Amino acid sequence: DAKTTQPPSMDCAEGRAANLPCNHSTISGNEYVYWYRQIHSQGPQYIIHGLKNNETNEMASLIITEDRKSSTLILPHATLRDTAVYYCIVREWGSGTYKYIFGTGTRLKVLA
Amino acid sequence: KAGVTQTPRYLIKTRGQQVTLSCSPISGHRSVSWYQQTPGQGLQFLFEYFSETQRNKGNFPGRFSGRQFSNSRSEMNVSTLELGDSALYLCASSLEGGMLNTEAFFGQGTRLTVV
Repeated sequence: DAKTTQPPSMDCAEGRAANLPCNHSTISGNEYVYWYRQIHSQGPQYIIHGLKNNETNEMASLIITEDRKSSTLILPHATLRDTAVYYCIVREWGSGTYKYIFGTGTRLKVLA
Repeated sequence: KAGVTQTPRYLIKTRGQQVTLSCSPISGHRSVSWYQQTPGQGLQFLFEYFSETQRNKGNFPGRFSGRQFSNSRSEMNVSTLELGDSALYLCASSLEGGMLNTEAFFGQGTRLTVV
């Protein structure tokens, strides 16, 4: 079962920051939070990941709360091409390896 | 460098048939995972291979199987196809699936339709 919960959908005006929340209250101490997005009919695309510190890359920023029970993905200046389903994932450890358990994601619609 | 390549992109099969899907990971990546995506169930983990060994398996019936070759290319096989097997099948490769700090790269998927 997915270890994350996300709102099913969000709208954001083009050029504004998109803030996508995620709850992962059962996360374990060494489990990373990953974010992927999926544009219609394409494979998921990696965005960013983090453990406990805030992270930033060319695509987005990831803010993780101090207790690690939730996080927020920030797209600083959303464009129409950012319209996609965004998945927040906690990788699970089992049988000597990790596997990604995807939840239902947030469908972000960027409006012109 | 080349990304993850899945073939074929589209496939139509009849109930009862079997199908084999192929995935070529990014060069140097040794871990390959397979996922099934349907509108009703979302993205579900099928299995993961590393160095020709299956290391992890999701909750799918035995009709779903896979293997990995010495060059890290992987195949997934579904036997006795059912209508409910219609889905987008995604493959993901990563450098070392067991490492804490690596990301997975997904292919474009194979869309299988069972009629």
